[in-house]
Amino acid sequence: DAGVIQSPRHEVTEMGQEVTLRCKPISGHDYLFWYRQTMMRGLELLIYFNNNVPIDDSGMPEDRFSAKMPNASFSTLKIQPSEPRDSAVYFCASSPLQGGVGGYTFGSGTRLTVV
Amino acid sequence: GQNIDQPTEMTATEGAIVQINCTYQTSGFNGLFWYQQHAGEAPTFLSYNVLDGLEEKGRFSSFLSRSKGYSYLLLKELQMKDSASYLCAVDGGSYIPTFGRGTSLIVHP
Repeated sequence: DAGVIQSPRHEVTEMGQEVTLRCKPISGHDYLFWYRQTMMRGLELLIYFNNNVPIDDSGMPEDRFSAKMPNASFSTLKIQPSEPRDSAVYFCASSPLQGGVGGYTFGSGTRLTVV
Repeated sequence: GQNIDQPTEMTATEGAIVQINCTYQTSGFNGLFWYQQHAGEAPTFLSYNVLDGLEEKGRFSSFLSRSKGYSYLLLKELQMKDSASYLCAVDGGSYIPTFGRGTSLIVHP
């Protein structure tokens, strides 16, 4: 299995621009999670999906952030408009179980820099 | 809410043993996880504890005391490649774990 695949690996954009991050989960994993990691706040859950349906988006910082999962093999996280404080590493993770008894499998992450 | 505390940084010598502690305060509990994260890479799952006691997996072991809200990750026979950040994550009853800030471990020769 190729694991969780994220793109792009790095993204540099100007403030005010739209940014779209992409994720392909492991086939057969029913749960998909979007995390953000910064030095100040650590690893924070933004939103998670079960069978393509958003279950909890309480971690999404504000309306500028949106996430979709149109099918079992693809999800996007969009920031519009982007701001410098959105600079972080964004991870996508997937799991066959909600509780993650076997742990989550994380993608390699997207390092976003907003200038 | 949940509160998870880990030391920010630790150093150790190659070949030695190191113990990384994690304390937590949660309203409920469904399990505790440890992840390893090398610089610039994704977190990778190390262990899961839901019952009290020690779980051993090769050079790594994880211990849990639910009554004390305490866990530790024990790394034996340290190698240079063990230099990484170690994240403690707690499922406080929602079946979604909350991550601590992580402990940066530096292993020196």
